[in-house]
Amino acid sequence: GQQVMQIPQYQHVQEGEDFTTYCNSSTTLSNIQWYKQRPGGHPVFLIQLVKSGEVKKQKRLTFQFGEAKKNSSLHITATQTTDVGTYFCAGRSTGAGSYQLTFGKGTKLSVIP
Amino acid sequence: EAGVAQSPRYKIIEKRQSVAFWCNPISGHATLYWYQQILGQGPKLLIQFQNNGVVDDSQLPKDRFSAERLKGVDSTLKIQPAKLEDSAVYLCASSVTGTSFSADTQYFGPGTRLTVL
Repeated sequence: GQQVMQIPQYQHVQEGEDFTTYCNSSTTLSNIQWYKQRPGGHPVFLIQLVKSGEVKKQKRLTFQFGEAKKNSSLHITATQTTDVGTYFCAGRSTGAGSYQLTFGKGTKLSVIP
Repeated sequence: EAGVAQSPRYKIIEKRQSVAFWCNPISGHATLYWYQQILGQGPKLLIQFQNNGVVDDSQLPKDRFSAERLKGVDSTLKIQPAKLEDSAVYLCASSVTGTSFSADTQYFGPGTRLTVL
């Protein structure tokens, strides 16, 4: 079955440093979504990428979808304490009836003030 | 707009007991999902409903788990009998439709934290 891998599993950064998490799929994806889960909270949708090579920005967050649509990344510039949480990518594979989103294990971000 | 509601928020049971979770999706959302999130892992889809029909239940342990979405609105997820490895947070999510790329943002409820002793 489809597998979605994320690295690193944990990342500790000093406030103001940059942060990047990477997502790799074992199969070609039709689209990929990113979610953020604060400690004790539930996943909250951040963004969806659909096109090969797509890049989207949300303030300090930059999301990329690989040309082969098998990998993606989330980059945060100048982290703040409010960025603390676990970031998940979730991919949907190509093919008819492929509605299931497969989540990665997430990257847990800690920001040291 | 009200979010996805779930109850109870916490449940502690002993193994071999039964438990049920309830979910009320965002009004007008056709698709409802149940996920299991074990500590330190990402959510794993258990079952997906489109209105009151099942779209995907390939990862649902059907010997002990069951779910229904009567009338295409609320849903219940049941575990009978529970095992120790069922300890997890059970998340319900809904989306406008699960088949349209542009409209399938999933909105998650607060989850039910299940502890099986």
